[in-house]
Amino acid sequence: TQLLEQSPQFLSIQEGENLTVYCNSSSVFSSLQWYRQEPGEGPVLLVTVVTGGEVKKLKRLTFQFGDARKDSSLHITAAQPGDTGLYLCAGAPGTASKLTFGTGTRLQVTL
Amino acid sequence: DAGVTQSPTHLIKTRGQQVTLRCSPKSGHDTVSWYQQALGQGPQFIFQYYEEEERQRGNFPDRFSGHQFPNYSSELNVNALLLGDSALYLCASSLGRMVVAFFGQGTRLTVV
Repeated sequence: TQLLEQSPQFLSIQEGENLTVYCNSSSVFSSLQWYRQEPGEGPVLLVTVVTGGEVKKLKRLTFQFGDARKDSSLHITAAQPGDTGLYLCAGAPGTASKLTFGTGTRLQVTL
Repeated sequence: DAGVTQSPTHLIKTRGQQVTLRCSPKSGHDTVSWYQQALGQGPQFIFQYYEEEERQRGNFPDRFSGHQFPNYSSELNVNALLLGDSALYLCASSLGRMVVAFFGQGTRLTVV
């Protein structure tokens, strides 16, 4: 069974601070996705990374896929209250399109 | 262009009952996956339907079954409901074997 562990589980920071969320596994994934989910809603895709070592930037968010394609990180610069939500990483095995989700990181950004 | 739509949004059932949840995929998508998300946890894969057949299945008992219709919409059925089946049920659609998935808003099932 492929597992994805995220850390930290909870993060409460003030507006303007930087933060990094980690997603780790002992398994190799063909691709990894990051989602953000708000209460009562479904996850919304933020980014997909497919190449080991790949770095993608989405405004203040920077995503990195580990060289061995077993881990990933999400870095947010100058967090804003609108960044509040549950951040989920999800990996896809090599030949299947089902997603294995991480345990989630709940982020709260206060003024 | 409508995204993934699920119905109903909320549902309360009694232990032992049966429930059917429905999902219409994003326009142009032919693959539907179902996930169960317990409170405070990440979604867990239940199964995936493609061309009206179950293509993959996660570690869920046979009480969980599904169906995909010719128009690609899908149903999730759960029999003999248990209290532990209370969760947010998410439907995700994609195209073929593409990993990129779009999720619906989910159905919140409460079993009492």
